[in-house]
Amino acid sequence: EAGVAQSPRYKIIEKRQSVAFWCNPISGHATLYWYQQILGQGPKLLIQFQNNGVVDDSQLPKDRFSAERLKGVDSTLKIQPAKLEDSAVYLCASSFGGNSPLHFGNGTRLTVT
Amino acid sequence: QQQVKQSPQSLIVQKGGISIINCAYENTAFDYFPWYQQFPGKGPALLIAIRPDVSEKKEGRFTISFNKSAKQFSLHIMDSQPGDSATYFCAASIGTASKLTFGTGTRLQVTL
Repeated sequence: EAGVAQSPRYKIIEKRQSVAFWCNPISGHATLYWYQQILGQGPKLLIQFQNNGVVDDSQLPKDRFSAERLKGVDSTLKIQPAKLEDSAVYLCASSFGGNSPLHFGNGTRLTVT
Repeated sequence: QQQVKQSPQSLIVQKGGISIINCAYENTAFDYFPWYQQFPGKGPALLIAIRPDVSEKKEGRFTISFNKSAKQFSLHIMDSQPGDSATYFCAASIGTASKLTFGTGTRLQVTL
């Protein structure tokens, strides 16, 4: 089966600019997650979708981050305006939900200068 | 708030040796404990997982040992190979395998 697809692979922007990341989950996976992985740390959950509804966004900095999952398939994560501390790898993951394991994409590495 | 503590931060093991990575958790509500393997430039991939109703789970060269009373679990890699060189993350969740809290990672290097 095809894995979780993410784009772009890399992005370099200046602080205060905006940026968007795209994720296409594995076909049939109802649950989609965005994680932030800062260098040297484990991934941290930003937001979880079940189909096109938000299940958990408690750790999403909503003043600058937004995410949507239109039609319950693809998802985009946006940062506006970006800060230096947003430099990280943004990982998208998907699963069938329930107790099924997460499958991660290869991430988008964001550098904010 | 760090709820899963992982050690060591880095580990060097000779080929054929045993690699041991430890994790400790605080939240007694956690009931699912997976280990993920991550290669540079790739996303984490599920390696092996355990639930607290068993004390050990083995899959090939990889074994999870779980100590519920001590709130600790560990990953043992037997006969470590250079291809095992990667970063390993422990994680924990409540109720499902989905909302995971990750440890800080262990960079394993297996030398020839």
